[in-house]
Amino acid sequence: GESVGLHLPTLSVQEGDNSIINCAYSNSASDYFIWYKQESGKGPQFIIDIRSNMDKRQGQRVTVLLNKTVKHLSLQIAATQPGDSAVYFCAPSASKIIFGSGTRLSIRP
Amino acid sequence: NAGVTQTPKFQVLKTGQSMTLQCAQDMNHNSMYWYRQDPGMGLRLIYYSASEGTTDKGEVPNGYNVSRLNKREFSLRLESAAPSQTSVYFCASALLADSYNEQFFGPGTRLTVL
Repeated sequence: GESVGLHLPTLSVQEGDNSIINCAYSNSASDYFIWYKQESGKGPQFIIDIRSNMDKRQGQRVTVLLNKTVKHLSLQIAATQPGDSAVYFCAPSASKIIFGSGTRLSIRP
Repeated sequence: NAGVTQTPKFQVLKTGQSMTLQCAQDMNHNSMYWYRQDPGMGLRLIYYSASEGTTDKGEVPNGYNVSRLNKREFSLRLESAAPSQTSVYFCASALLADSYNEQFFGPGTRLTVL
């Protein structure tokens, strides 16, 4: 299975600022990479995915960047809001997924 | 659709007791997964079933057994609970078609072993 690691376990940003969450992966065989958001007391939920032949994908307030050369993903959240407080995981799409520890995003008022 | 459901939501066991965590999905997904999540930690894969009739070990299978009862249901059994198994357990399912594995998670079961 794939393994992923995240650069920072916690990230604190000012409300309204942009957030950037990074993720490194070890195996580049996956066709997709998926970002999940886990709010307190809940299971993770899908946010956005990116196919391995793309280098950027945009959603509503979120952008995923994929750099296959250095095996690195980032999730950018624009105009961070209190509701964005959560743990964020990236995961390669594979039959057996090994999640990393995630990045906890906290928002300062 | 209910999505992924888990029972029970909470459970307290004494060391040595056994129990089965139930998981069901109504999305006609092929694959199902059991994870545990300790406080402040990420998700660790216990067992998974890529398709009906198959099960495979994940990162931390010791002390657990699973049964893929049918396409809808995937249960996790603790034969002799230990305090180290105190955790939140999440079940997930995925269609897993063409290598695309978007997982849908249940609400979790919070297990305490005394």
